[in-house]
Amino acid sequence: IAGITQAPTSQILAAGRRMTLRCTQDMRHNAMYWYRQDLGLGLRLIHYSNTAGTTGKGEVPDGYSVSRANTDDFPLTLASAVPSQTSVYFCASSMEGGMKSEQFFGPGTRLTVL
Amino acid sequence: GQNIDQPTEMTATEGAIVQINCTYQTSGFNGLFWYQQHAGEAPTFLSYNVLDGLEEKGRFSSFLSRSKGYSYLLLKELQMKDSASYLCAVLDSNYQLIWGAGTKLIIKP
Repeated sequence: IAGITQAPTSQILAAGRRMTLRCTQDMRHNAMYWYRQDLGLGLRLIHYSNTAGTTGKGEVPDGYSVSRANTDDFPLTLASAVPSQTSVYFCASSMEGGMKSEQFFGPGTRLTVL
Repeated sequence: GQNIDQPTEMTATEGAIVQINCTYQTSGFNGLFWYQQHAGEAPTFLSYNVLDGLEEKGRFSSFLSRSKGYSYLLLKELQMKDSASYLCAVLDSNYQLIWGAGTKLIIKP
């Protein structure tokens, strides 16, 4: 693994289904983040984790949950997907928390909810 | 409310210079980031400014004026590969990162 990876690359999902987006980094970064990116809008933070074992809510957390059981993995779960969650999802990591340092982004997951 | 303003789209010619502006109104300021994002790809870090002035890094430079709530990214000797979106993001007093919608830069031969 080199850097930060996400899976799946893309997914089409029926409304109401549960879905987990996976994110793994091998840089031993303390902090990890989940963003969504929609056309015409800036990146919006969904959830973040400043260190393993802790998580926090971002700007748009409703309908999403995360966990940070270890340093490397930061999965994002949609409990019951809705069409408004159609978006491109980026996972990112940084050496330190508090968003004070450069973030490294994964390649993204393109999610379509029908 | 907090706001980041960038032009939606700009066009420039290969070999030329282009300046992409970013103005911000945020609750406090703890730094400003520029990222580059090619179509269909992830954002990648370009620069970070926390003090006023110009930071130069190769063909790219970033300028900050905290008193004016203003930054710009200057790209020199434009190459076709510089065609991308450029994202401005401000770290506010609560260490929340506020992102602009990005400026799509189109380079023409």
